[in-house]
Amino acid sequence: NAGVTQTPKFQVLKTGQSMTLQCAQDMNHEYMSWYRQDPGMGLRLIHYSVGAGITDQGEVPNGYNVSRSTTEDFPLRLLSAAPSQTSVYFCASSLKWRFTDTQYFGPGTRLTVL
Amino acid sequence: AQKITQTQPGMFVQEKEAVTLDCTYDTSDQSYGLFWYKQPSSGEMIFLIYQGSYDEQNATEGRYSLNFQKARKSANLVISASQLGDSAMYFCAMRTPGNQFYFGTGTSLTVIP
Repeated sequence: NAGVTQTPKFQVLKTGQSMTLQCAQDMNHEYMSWYRQDPGMGLRLIHYSVGAGITDQGEVPNGYNVSRSTTEDFPLRLLSAAPSQTSVYFCASSLKWRFTDTQYFGPGTRLTVL
Repeated sequence: AQKITQTQPGMFVQEKEAVTLDCTYDTSDQSYGLFWYKQPSSGEMIFLIYQGSYDEQNATEGRYSLNFQKARKSANLVISASQLGDSAMYFCAMRTPGNQFYFGTGTSLTVIP
C-alpha cells in the first residue's frame, strides 16, 4: 500500500491564482481530512469527509473547497489564493470516524502564496 | 476554547535517558481518543501511540508509553532510552465523537549525545 499520497510536494502561487492540492489513499478509508500547519499553531482542520459525497467544514474552512466523488480521492481547492494561505497542508485518512480510529498522514504540500 | 495544551515548547534530553512530554486536554465528552505524533525535520507526521478514554491500562508501544491520568485530563508521552533519532517535534492530539481532531502546538525535543 502507498498509504496517503499528496501532490505536489511544493507549490508557489501568485495572489489570486487558483489551484488544487491532490490527495489519495489506497487503504479503503472512509474518513479523509485536510489540515494546515502554521508555525506555533499546530495543525488545524480545514475540511473533512466521512465518505464519498459527504463533506463538512472544520475549524478554518474559509477560502477552501473540497469534494469527495470517490472513496480514494479528496482534493482541496484554493479558489483565489491569498498570502494568508501560505502554509504546509496535510491530508489524512482513517478507517472510519470513530474516536478510536487513528489518522494517517500524507507527506504534506508546502504552499507559498506571493 | 483550546482543547489540547502542550506547555513545553522545547525540551532537551541526554541520549539513553527517559523524557516525559506533557499534554493536557479539555473535553466534556466521555468517549475520546488521545494520540501522539512525531514530526521529524523531514516534515512527515508519524503516528506513535493511542490511548482510549475507556482504556484502564496505559498504552505502550516499544520505547513509547502514555501516562494517562483521566481525572487530571493529562496524557503525557514517555520516551525511554532516548536516541538521537528521537529529535523531532511531538504533537498530542484528541479525537472526539464529533468528527473533530484537535492538535496541540507541539513540543520540540532535542536529544543530546
